[in-house]
Amino acid sequence: DSGVTQTPKHLITATGQRVTLRCSPRSGDLSVYWYQQSLDQGLQFLIQYYNGEERAKGNILERFSAQQFPDLHSELNLSSLELGDSALYFCASSVSGSGLYNEQFFGPGTRLTVL
Amino acid sequence: GQNIDQPTEMTATEGAIVQINCTYQTSGFNGLFWYQQHAGEAPTFLSYNVLDGLEEKGRFSSFLSRSKGYSYLLLKELQMKDSASYLCAVSLSGTYKYIFGTGTRLKVLA
Repeated sequence: DSGVTQTPKHLITATGQRVTLRCSPRSGDLSVYWYQQSLDQGLQFLIQYYNGEERAKGNILERFSAQQFPDLHSELNLSSLELGDSALYFCASSVSGSGLYNEQFFGPGTRLTVL
Repeated sequence: GQNIDQPTEMTATEGAIVQINCTYQTSGFNGLFWYQQHAGEAPTFLSYNVLDGLEEKGRFSSFLSRSKGYSYLLLKELQMKDSASYLCAVSLSGTYKYIFGTGTRLKVLA
């Protein structure tokens, strides 16, 4: 158990819908990262927040947005869902937002299925 | 662009040694991470290299050559539970971004 929690574990929805994925980082970690992992694909970095502020943006679609709240939990919002958005979405946290030694601890993931 | 290359799949025998290679071409480099990921589970941290050379951690070692854009993960005394995907990731300097390779799926056979 990494100490990072994600809800829900599974989500099944229809195309065109909107969903919200939630992540609570490990106690003491200020940074939260979101990743998308499609079948047979590597982890695609989406976005990073550090202490409530957006720190880095990766391959995140405009239909997707995220935020980190004052209690440091984070939410990833996915809208106008398409079949291709079906994937495992991981949240990770780390103590700092620095690119130097900065081990990330991953949550169990949310498996999103868009029908 | 940013690119990380790893072999897609490898097979080895229980008790043997296996080396998983990773080459990267990135604009900026802060460090290189190796993660293990069992099917359907979250990645877990294995090692981190920021300077050239070998880092050893029990049965696992990781090597880095920054000038060659090359790293490898060495797994000794393979066990069945080592069957998993191994992900190479680079932390990019100046951007706080991380780039992950697509992973190497390792099968350990009895």
